[in-house]
Amino acid sequence: AQSVTQPDIHITVSEGASLELRCNYSYGATPYLFWYVQSPGQGLQLLLKYFSGDTLVQGIKGFEAEFKRSQSSFNLRKPSVHWSDAAEYFCAVDLNNAGNMLTFGGGTRLMVKP
Amino acid sequence: DTAVSQTPKYLVTQMGNDKSIKCEQNLGHDTMYWYKQDSKKFLKIMFSYNNKELIINETVPNRFSPKSPDKAHLNLHINSLELGDSAVYFCASRPRRTGELFFGEGSRLTVL
Repeated sequence: AQSVTQPDIHITVSEGASLELRCNYSYGATPYLFWYVQSPGQGLQLLLKYFSGDTLVQGIKGFEAEFKRSQSSFNLRKPSVHWSDAAEYFCAVDLNNAGNMLTFGGGTRLMVKP
Repeated sequence: DTAVSQTPKYLVTQMGNDKSIKCEQNLGHDTMYWYKQDSKKFLKIMFSYNNKELIINETVPNRFSPKSPDKAHLNLHINSLELGDSAVYFCASRPRRTGELFFGEGSRLTVL
C-alpha cells in the first residue's frame, strides 16, 4: 500500500544543535513531496516542497530537505535549531502528482531544550 | 485578511446533535478540502471540491455532508454527532498550478 512514514514520533534537541527529521514514502514513482509545520493550536504552514529538479530544496525559517530517490526519503534538516522551532512537523506526499490529494505522515513532535 | 478562515474555532456539543463548520478562502483557489486530525495528530483527507464540484470523497460516514455554495466556500455539516467525531477539522485550499495546500487554523470539535 502507498504510505508515508515518519519513524520518529518525538525528537528532543538542544537549542543550537542540528536537526534531521526523517520521512519515507512507499510508492512506485516519484511523487510531489512537502514538509509542513504545525505550531500548537495553529493550522499547518508549508515549509518547503519538491516537484522535480535539484534534489536539495530550501524552505522558510532556515529549513532544507533532500530528496533521495534510492532511499525513497525526503528528510528535513536545519543546521541550528531555535526554541521557536518546537512544533509538530508533517511530511506529505501527493501520490498522483495531480495536486489533488496529499497524504500525510503521522508527524514528528520536536521539542527544543534550552 | 486571513487567507483561509474557519468558524467556529471551538465547538463543544452533545452526542446526537447536528453541527456545521464553515470555511472561506479569499485566495481565489479553485480547490478546497476538509481534513480531520485525530487526537494522535494523524491527518486524513475527508473531502475535496473543485469549483463547487465534489472530486474526492474518502470513506467518511454519510453523517458528514460537505456543501460548497461557491468556490470560495466549503462548509461541513455533521448529523447525529458521535463521541468519535471529536477531532480538529481543517479546511484547506489549493491553487490550480501547484500541489501545496493552504490551511485554516482548524476547528476543534468536542462531542460529550
